[in-house]
Amino acid sequence: KAGVTQTPRYLIKTRGQQVTLSCSPISGHRSVSWYQQTPGQGLQFLFEYFSETQRNKGNFPGRFSGRQFSNSRSEMNVSTLELGDSALYLCASSLAGNVGETQYFGPGTRLLVL
Amino acid sequence: EDQVTQSPEALRLQEGESSSLNCSYTVSGLRGLFWYRQDPGKGPEFLFTLYSAGEEKEKERLKATLTKKESFLHITAPKPEDSATYLCAFPFKGGSQGNLIFGKGTKLSVKP
Repeated sequence: KAGVTQTPRYLIKTRGQQVTLSCSPISGHRSVSWYQQTPGQGLQFLFEYFSETQRNKGNFPGRFSGRQFSNSRSEMNVSTLELGDSALYLCASSLAGNVGETQYFGPGTRLLVL
Repeated sequence: EDQVTQSPEALRLQEGESSSLNCSYTVSGLRGLFWYRQDPGKGPEFLFTLYSAGEEKEKERLKATLTKKESFLHITAPKPEDSATYLCAFPFKGGSQGNLIFGKGTKLSVKP
């Protein structure tokens, strides 16, 4: 079974631009979560989607948004990029997003904002 | 407030030198404690899930244990390929599974 895939793997943007990242979950998984990882803050939860609906959202500004499609693929968008948005963005999938289910992570997208 | 603390932040071992990593948590009603391994530039790789105090799980040189307040990841006779950052996490209370709180991790280096 193929794992979680994320595209692109690397991105370089400048301040003020916007960016869209894509995540394809493991086949059959319907819950997709997004995380931001930085050296200072570690892994922080952004939001979670299930059946095209956002169920949970972390403590991030409204510049961070996402969506999920009917095939469970998900995208996240960051508008008006800031230098502090430079990070590794990870998505994780699980079967239904129920408590106790294991989340499987993709390789991440490394975003550098100049 | 739900919190998770991992110690030590970094650990250097000689090949074959066994040790333990600690994950302390404060949450009422734990609904799973997860261990992941992360190599540089890669996404976390799932290792174990523990659900109740007293539970233990093993995989090769790794054994994870859980008490009511902390979890340990024991590494027996480590090899250089065990070098990685080890992360623990648990679901945020009141949220769905999608909302995991992660510790900052323990960076393990195993020298030959």
